[in-house]
Amino acid sequence: DTGVSQDPRHKITKRGQNVTFRCDPISEHNRLYWYRQTLGQGPEFLTYFQNEAQLEKSRLLSDRFSAERPKGSFSTLEIQRTEQGDSAMYLCASSLVGPGQGANEQFFGPGTRLTVL
Amino acid sequence: SQELEQSPQSLIVQEGKNLTINCTSSKTLYGLYWYKQKYGEGLIFLMMLQKGGEEKSHEKITAKLDEKKQQSSLHITASQPSHAGIYLCGADIKDDYKLSFGAGTTVTVRA
Repeated sequence: DTGVSQDPRHKITKRGQNVTFRCDPISEHNRLYWYRQTLGQGPEFLTYFQNEAQLEKSRLLSDRFSAERPKGSFSTLEIQRTEQGDSAMYLCASSLVGPGQGANEQFFGPGTRLTVL
Repeated sequence: SQELEQSPQSLIVQEGKNLTINCTSSKTLYGLYWYKQKYGEGLIFLMMLQKGGEEKSHEKITAKLDEKKQQSSLHITASQPSHAGIYLCGADIKDDYKLSFGAGTTVTVRA
């Protein structure tokens, strides 16, 4: 399967603990996005990378959140000192952007569902 | 608040009947994307529209983008149980490739 993969699929943690999620994009894709989705809502943009550079972070991304894409391939999203309000589905997407690439279709992974107790 | 308004919020349709979902923005859209999501799962890409007046079809699903590029519709013909799920419209509003999403439309197909 060459789609976007995410790990873990589910994470239950206690308030105050740190968690880390991983996303493996489609191999030739240079853009990687993180979104957060709460129940009954559409996904909300958190941050994105072009290769290894983090180009933008949403105001939703507090200083407890950090994302990396060290080699321009997989990415990690870490949440420190988790709060109950962090409970959500964290979605990763990837796309190929550049001259002559045409449409910027974003393909999503299955998501990581975080529950903070 | 969502920058895209989707309607209806939910709908129940009898198997074999048609249905339409609408997605509206007050801003010009640089790209409009339709996704389907099963509860608790990721988003499945359906179609992308970029040009005003563009229309695309795949199997029994047709999506249209109006000439002003502010409104899109998704139409399903002769619905089947496999069409049940949450349909989300996403759009590139600022021409920066980030997507803003509507709240979704939950579709239930009754046999």
